[in-house]
Amino acid sequence: QKEVEQNSGPLSVPEGAIASLNCTYSDRVSQSFFWYRQYSGKSPELIMSIYSNGDKEDGRFTAQLNKASQYVSLLIRDSQPSDSATYLCAVNAGGSYIPTFGRGTSLIVHP
Amino acid sequence: EAQVTQNPRYLITVTGKKLTVTCSQNMNHEYMSWYRQDPGLGLRQIYYSMNVEVTDKGDVPEGYKVSRKEKRNFPLILESPSPNQTSLYFCASSLSINKISYEQYFGPGTRLTVT
Repeated sequence: QKEVEQNSGPLSVPEGAIASLNCTYSDRVSQSFFWYRQYSGKSPELIMSIYSNGDKEDGRFTAQLNKASQYVSLLIRDSQPSDSATYLCAVNAGGSYIPTFGRGTSLIVHP
Repeated sequence: EAQVTQNPRYLITVTGKKLTVTCSQNMNHEYMSWYRQDPGLGLRQIYYSMNVEVTDKGDVPEGYKVSRKEKRNFPLILESPSPNQTSLYFCASSLSINKISYEQYFGPGTRLTVT
């Protein structure tokens, strides 16, 4: 059973702070990693994808991948109240055609 | 505009009355999928399709059917809905390379209530 684990939260951070969201996965051969944002009652929206070890930056978002330790994280700099949402991690395990989703971490950014 | 559409967006029905939720994408994606989302359980995959006439079960396929007769459409069929199928349903599509699905694009969701 390929597993993707996330702390359900909520993670509460003040406006302007860095929010750090973490995701661990069980399959060592995983190849593709994705972060989705989901506002309450809305559909998931892709915000980052990462395929190789290291950091990938896009605006205020940075995805970090460490395959040796089997974790992927998402950093949100200068957090805004509009970033308050659930963040879903998804992983394509090696040999699998389809991604496995974690249950998501709820982020609350308070003014 | 590239998008995934679902209809209806909201549906209240009674136990046993067959229903179909439509899903359509205009991005020429090979891969399409249906998920349900329930509080505390996250996204659970119902069925997926790697291409026309190719479908496979996900994690929770019981009580559902799908078909993929055209590349753009992937309807979800509930032959005899029951109250435990009350949920928020999402359709998704993605490009696939060598059959591996990558970034997924989700439809707006269908909130189904079965009484």
